[in-house]
Amino acid sequence: DTGVSQDPRHKITKRGQNVTFRCDPISEHNRLYWYRQTLGQGPEFLTYFQNEAQLEKSRLLSDRFSAERPKGSFSTLEIQRTEQGDSAMYLCASSPTPGNTIYFGEGSWLTVV
Amino acid sequence: EDKVVQSPLSLVVHEGDTVTLNCSYEVTNFRSLLWYKQEKKAPTFLFMLTSSGIEKKSGRLSSILDKKELFSILNITATQTGDSAVYLCAVGKRNAGGTSYGKLTFGQGTILTVHP
Repeated sequence: DTGVSQDPRHKITKRGQNVTFRCDPISEHNRLYWYRQTLGQGPEFLTYFQNEAQLEKSRLLSDRFSAERPKGSFSTLEIQRTEQGDSAMYLCASSPTPGNTIYFGEGSWLTVV
Repeated sequence: EDKVVQSPLSLVVHEGDTVTLNCSYEVTNFRSLLWYKQEKKAPTFLFMLTSSGIEKKSGRLSSILDKKELFSILNITATQTGDSAVYLCAVGKRNAGGTSYGKLTFGQGTILTVHP
């Protein structure tokens, strides 16, 4: 039984560098989500995919952020020109359709120094 | 703007105590309310509630939803140190087609600490 897996689990990068996170959802889950969580806060929605289509993006997702899910399976989240304010845990989640129950991965911790 | 508010923000109890965590919400096109437990890693799913007045139970945990008053409670009886975690409440919405929709709005969480 494989859950949602994310890679890398931790990333430390210098300000201005680009970083990319990968997410492999639970197989047969056609919905995939990215959330961001900072210390002391609940997760905040960034974007979601139904198969390969990106159906919604939060206004939190600035033009430095891009997410893809090219074949409707795994997804990548790229952050360009990282800033210290990007330091957070980036959570990927997936769910079947229909259904609201979302299953989260372990998260990818990003520290921008 | 959608809003989910949890209270208290933190709670310290001793093993064996019973706790009640609260979650109130203001959300358009409400579909469901979910509870998650988070222990220094990703949130793990506890319950999903869609109907008022129907209690969901899992061991020592139970939860109920009141759609008229727009709130939910999560009860934990006979608490154990392993219950120490952040408990997150989230609300899911319906999309234009009326089906469930996975964009969850989370509250800030309640930090529960259970001392031996």
